[in-house]
Amino acid sequence: DQQVKQNSPSLSVQEGRISILNCDYTNSMFDYFLWYKKYPAEGPTFLISISSIKDKNEDGRFTVFLNKSAKHLSLHIVPSQPGDSAVYFCAATFWGGGNKLTFGTGTQLKVEL
Amino acid sequence: EPEVTQTPSHQVTQMGQEVILRCVPISNHLYFYWYRQILGQKVEFLVSFYNNEISEKSEIFDDQFSVERPDGSNFTLKIRSTKLEDSAMYFCASSDRPGGGTGELFFGEGSRLTVL
Repeated sequence: DQQVKQNSPSLSVQEGRISILNCDYTNSMFDYFLWYKKYPAEGPTFLISISSIKDKNEDGRFTVFLNKSAKHLSLHIVPSQPGDSAVYFCAATFWGGGNKLTFGTGTQLKVEL
Repeated sequence: EPEVTQTPSHQVTQMGQEVILRCVPISNHLYFYWYRQILGQKVEFLVSFYNNEISEKSEIFDDQFSVERPDGSNFTLKIRSTKLEDSAMYFCASSDRPGGGTGELFFGEGSRLTVL
């Protein structure tokens, strides 16, 4: 049951360049999407979110794009910094979902100097 | 900045033993959750808790699992008789708003459970 999929287990990017992390979902009921960042030995930390009524949300270096027709979202980080190296989880929920998040398997981002 | 704290950070136990994982959610939060992540797999929802009762639970959360808020600050997850497949990182999370809100959860650092 992979309702949220992150097909790239890892991504390597040079410092200063753009990082693009992708996420696909299958459940049409999802209407709220989040990105969490996780460092080793720490819990996931909320990064940015987007509601299905929008197709873009921006917060500083982080932008999330939502394509509802394709059931696809992406996280853009620009410029990428070494401190961004972490595992990024895409998560989805829906109104009335009780904050129950369905997570993807994560993408390990490595930003190299 | 307020944070969710979990203890122990790592527990090793024998199969069949009872384990209690403890969490102190952020003080003004009312909605509490347990998630787990088996090594190399995705983070999975276990249970949500509000107003001293379970709001929702996943199929993983069978009769071997229970949650409790024994006082005004702690939120515990008990595994009655541990199995090898219970080995995972268990994350507690809390939120100040119900489902349908932003959905932003604040996670603790996790408790790693190793069942031998």
